[in-house]
Amino acid sequence: DGGITQSPKYLFRKEGQNVTLSCEQNLNHDAMYWYRQDPGQGLRLIYYSQIVNDFQKGDIAEGYSVSREKKESFPLTVTSAQKNPTAFYLCASSTQGHTEAFFGQGTRLTVV
Amino acid sequence: AQSVTQPDIHITVSEGASLELRCNYSYGATPYLFWYVQSPGQGLQLLLKYFSGDTLVQGIKGFEAEFKRSQSSFNLRKPSVHWSDAAEYFCAVYSGGYNKLIFGAGTRLAVHP
Repeated sequence: DGGITQSPKYLFRKEGQNVTLSCEQNLNHDAMYWYRQDPGQGLRLIYYSQIVNDFQKGDIAEGYSVSREKKESFPLTVTSAQKNPTAFYLCASSTQGHTEAFFGQGTRLTVV
Repeated sequence: AQSVTQPDIHITVSEGASLELRCNYSYGATPYLFWYVQSPGQGLQLLLKYFSGDTLVQGIKGFEAEFKRSQSSFNLRKPSVHWSDAAEYFCAVYSGGYNKLIFGAGTRLAVHP
């Protein structure tokens, strides 16, 4: 089955640690996206990538980093510089031109 | 700047009643518009989309939406709500200039039996 897989579903991080969220897709989509979701704020774009080895900052990129070494994979690292990382993180992918976005099931990150 | 406004944060309806969720967008060109639904702790699922043509679009689960350019609106409707429709609904517009989706803040729907 084609789709987007995010792992892990739940992640706990100690303050000062970096953590990496995984996102893999087998839809052969060129574009991939990371969104952060907080209650009452909808989805905010962190980073996006339209093609392998290229990515752009979204609206709230500070404290995050990404890589796009393979078409299928777009991991997100939440660094210790992100002051309020507790949130629900969603990965999405689409064809070029963004006909529609397909979403993974999300990763809930909690700082402990 | 492009934006999407969903004026209603929470809506409660009785099962079997009709539903309309409002969405207003700000976008200079012809918009690509979407409605997504999210169950608690899950990802987003596409309900329907509008690119061009007929302004009334049909989606999955019995939902429809009407694009009204004069009102910059893309409201989602369902004639008879089921308890399983309780979820959060997001309207989005595709920003071609920035090659990204812009989402509204969402409307949380509760369904009373």
